[in-house]
Amino acid sequence: RKEVEQDPGPFNVPEGATVAFNCTYSNSASQSFFWYRQDCRKEPKLLMSVYSSGNEDGRFTAQLNRASQYISLLIRDSKLSDSATYLCAVINDYKLSFGAGTTVTVRA
Amino acid sequence: GAVVSQHPSWVICKSGTSVKIECRSLDFQATTMFWYRQFPKQSLMLMATSNEGSKATYEQGVEKDKFLINHASLTLSTLTVTSAHPEDSSFYICSARDLRAGGNTGELFFGEGSRLTVL
Repeated sequence: RKEVEQDPGPFNVPEGATVAFNCTYSNSASQSFFWYRQDCRKEPKLLMSVYSSGNEDGRFTAQLNRASQYISLLIRDSKLSDSATYLCAVINDYKLSFGAGTTVTVRA
Repeated sequence: GAVVSQHPSWVICKSGTSVKIECRSLDFQATTMFWYRQFPKQSLMLMATSNEGSKATYEQGVEKDKFLINHASLTLSTLTVTSAHPEDSSFYICSARDLRAGGNTGELFFGEGSRLTVL
């Protein structure tokens, strides 16, 4: 079983829509969780950390469910510029493991 | 914020040659850097952890004699793909943790990546 798994999508949504997707992790001892954004042929960039209590950054909301071992990302009021691949990442033993990414395409 | 620079961004080489990729932390010292590889539509896979002044730690299945890692200073790690073959064509990304950003985890910053194509 992969350490981190994501629905690859793609999620095709109109501008202004809300889109949400999850990421599951296999190691219950995982320490920290993140969402990264990766544009085509570019390096990943940190979007936000995911805290136990859940956290929000503008239109982005991240949640952690330790009991079911998943994290989620919700994007409200989608913009064209939100089109990207979103990678979840989990730290185990100070190493960062990534999911394969969920592709989101926002259309006009 | 912290910056990690990677060079070259693109490299095309003939099969059997060796290619060196550099990763530099520009405004912070990194005792540890990480090398990832990403094939199209796949996740970033950790290849090895580069440790300043000591041997790199390789992940299972990564050949240490093929992927030579040298971390000679606190701001530079190099990855050399030796005797490259077409199946080594991939996107190689380095990263470093800026411990100033918080505790043992800190924030991981990525280089721009190096796209290797082996003909």
